[in-house]
Amino acid sequence: RKEVEQDPGPFNVPEGATVAFNCTYSNSASQSFFWYRQDCRKEPKLLMSVYSSGNEDGRFTAQLNRASQYISLLIRDSKLSDSATYLCVVNGPGGSQGNLIFGKGTKLSVKP
Amino acid sequence: SAVISQKPSRDICQRGTSLTIQCQVDSQVTMMFWYRQQPGQSLTLIATANQGSEATYESGFVIDKFPISRPNLTFSTLTVSNMSPEDSSIYLCSVEIPRLGTYEQYFGPGTRLTVT
Repeated sequence: RKEVEQDPGPFNVPEGATVAFNCTYSNSASQSFFWYRQDCRKEPKLLMSVYSSGNEDGRFTAQLNRASQYISLLIRDSKLSDSATYLCVVNGPGGSQGNLIFGKGTKLSVKP
Repeated sequence: SAVISQKPSRDICQRGTSLTIQCQVDSQVTMMFWYRQQPGQSLTLIATANQGSEATYESGFVIDKFPISRPNLTFSTLTVSNMSPEDSSIYLCSVEIPRLGTYEQYFGPGTRLTVT
């Protein structure tokens, strides 16, 4: 089983749509969870950390289910500028803080 | 967050040569990391750069191939030694910042390396 698994997409959605990405992770000792976005030929940028109780930042909502080792990201009212690859990230073996394990990413394309 | 710069932003190198990549951050940070992103792939951690001690390498990466320096809390270098075309990749440094009970990593803009 891959350490962090995501549906690669692409997800092609119209502006204004709601889209959800899912991610599963294999290391039950992981303590930190993140969503990053990566634009083409750019570095990953932290979108949001994912907290146990779930958290929301504007149009973005992240949820964590530790029992199922599952993380989700919901984007409401999609904008053209949301088009990017979304990376699910967890911290690595032994729960060590520094070693981040990246999923391969889910590509989102928002169309007018 | 932090402002992170890398030099060079890109380079084309001949096989057998070495390239040193610099990473500068605008504030003192304890933890700095070096990642590689090969074409079409996600990021893979190469090593953790510790100030005042040797870097800690991940499985599959060795000091002879990827020597790292960390002379102070705002700067690090990664050298890609004896390059081959398989080393063509984007190399990114990152820093770890504590926030709200967790640690968040922020990335530099990357160095795009092509080995011919």
